[in-house]
Amino acid sequence: SAVISQKPSRDICQRGTSLTIQCQVDSQVTMMFWYRQQPGQSLTLIATANQGSEATYESGFVIDKFPISRPNLTFSTLTVSNMSPEDSSIYLCSLSGGPLHSYNEQFFGPGTRLTVL
Amino acid sequence: AQSVTQLGSHVSVSEGALVLLRCNYSSSVPPYLFWYVQYPNQGLQLLLKYTSAATLVKGINGFEAEFKKSETSFHLTKPSAHMSDAAEYFCAVTRTGGKLIFGQGTELSVKP
Repeated sequence: SAVISQKPSRDICQRGTSLTIQCQVDSQVTMMFWYRQQPGQSLTLIATANQGSEATYESGFVIDKFPISRPNLTFSTLTVSNMSPEDSSIYLCSLSGGPLHSYNEQFFGPGTRLTVL
Repeated sequence: AQSVTQLGSHVSVSEGALVLLRCNYSSSVPPYLFWYVQYPNQGLQLLLKYTSAATLVKGINGFEAEFKKSETSFHLTKPSAHMSDAAEYFCAVTRTGGKLIFGQGTELSVKP
């Protein structure tokens, strides 16, 4: 399966600032997704990162708060804007589809652990 | 609409005992179902998946799950627990567009 890396692996940020999280895959993939995992909770899908076009956001998530880029088939970024302590979570990217990956399963990156003070 | 319910937020077993983690799903279409494991301070790892082939699915680390349509269940089992199995386990169902809907997770503890 693909090797997925995320940067940074963890960060501690001040409220009101923004953080951009990078997700890099070692092979081309069709679908990339961003999830949030709040402390002690399950994963919630934020958005689907579409290559060359605007991301598709889930209910409760907006582009102004979570801008997403996907300039090519191996890379995506998620920005958490104007952060508050409620944004403290693990943010994970995932992928599916492409020459080497089935559309029927998703592989996840190691996650970015964000703490907002 | 698809949904997933995991029964029991925490399960504790003794080393060597049977592991049973319960998952029930709701889906208006034939579902694809998954079990993921999350070890402390790590991302999610796919344990196994059901994609409408064999109803008994074998995964990694000795885990398996059985799809039972009549019970809308996809419970995860392992005959003999090992200390290294201690982790958070998530059941998930695929939504339209390949998106995943996760259950609330079950934390598995293994006692020596």
